[in-house]
Amino acid sequence: QTVVTQEPSLTVSPGGTVTLTCASSTGAVSSDHQPNWIQQKPGQTPRALIYSTSKKHSWTPARFSGSLLGGKAALTLSGVQPEDEADYYCLLYYPGVQGVFGGGTKLTVL
Amino acid sequence: QITLKESGPTLVKPTQTLTLTCTFSGFSLRTNGVGVGWIRQPPGKALEWLVLVYWDDDKRYSPSLKSRLTITKDTSKNQVVLTMTDMDPMDTGTYYCAHVNWASRIFFDYWGQGIPVTVSS
Repeated sequence: QTVVTQEPSLTVSPGGTVTLTCASSTGAVSSDHQPNWIQQKPGQTPRALIYSTSKKHSWTPARFSGSLLGGKAALTLSGVQPEDEADYYCLLYYPGVQGVFGGGTKLTVL
Repeated sequence: QITLKESGPTLVKPTQTLTLTCTFSGFSLRTNGVGVGWIRQPPGKALEWLVLVYWDDDKRYSPSLKSRLTITKDTSKNQVVLTMTDMDPMDTGTYYCAHVNWASRIFFDYWGQGIPVTVSS
């Protein structure tokens, strides 16, 4: 069974920069996995942030960026705001099979 | 404007079959590259991909749940129906449907509000 692994939790100071990563049990993450990143604030519906590794939706703040880093998918937040405190999920697509969510990263802004 | 909304029972008994309907607007499942997926989230836990159906009726199931899931689409009604058999208390959670734009490799850009489902006798 394919497992997608994220940091369980991260803490960042307001105005700081933080990188969340997403690893695949099958090996290095590539653009073929179409990494997507989704934000979920407490009590709210999930909201898509990034697709196809690094592309932003029209509603995605500029401070969010996606990339591939060291065999993993990565989501970087630059100039973190208090309202960025949330759970972040990556989603990887396995061609011909299905999609798998990571376990999520709880980001605390403190 | 794309919108989706889940409907169905919020309480089911163990061993029963759950049937949820996703009614959407703002797009058509006749359009090349479009899909609708179901995702669930147990209380306090992570999102879990369940199944996705594409415009061409291609279906992608979670391997661990494939034997219990069925997804169908009704393009005339703009609906996608999920059935999950043999429900268990571990299946308790919020169930979401969401839009997929495979042509742009976008998964789940628009989400329904979710429907909470409790499995209990």
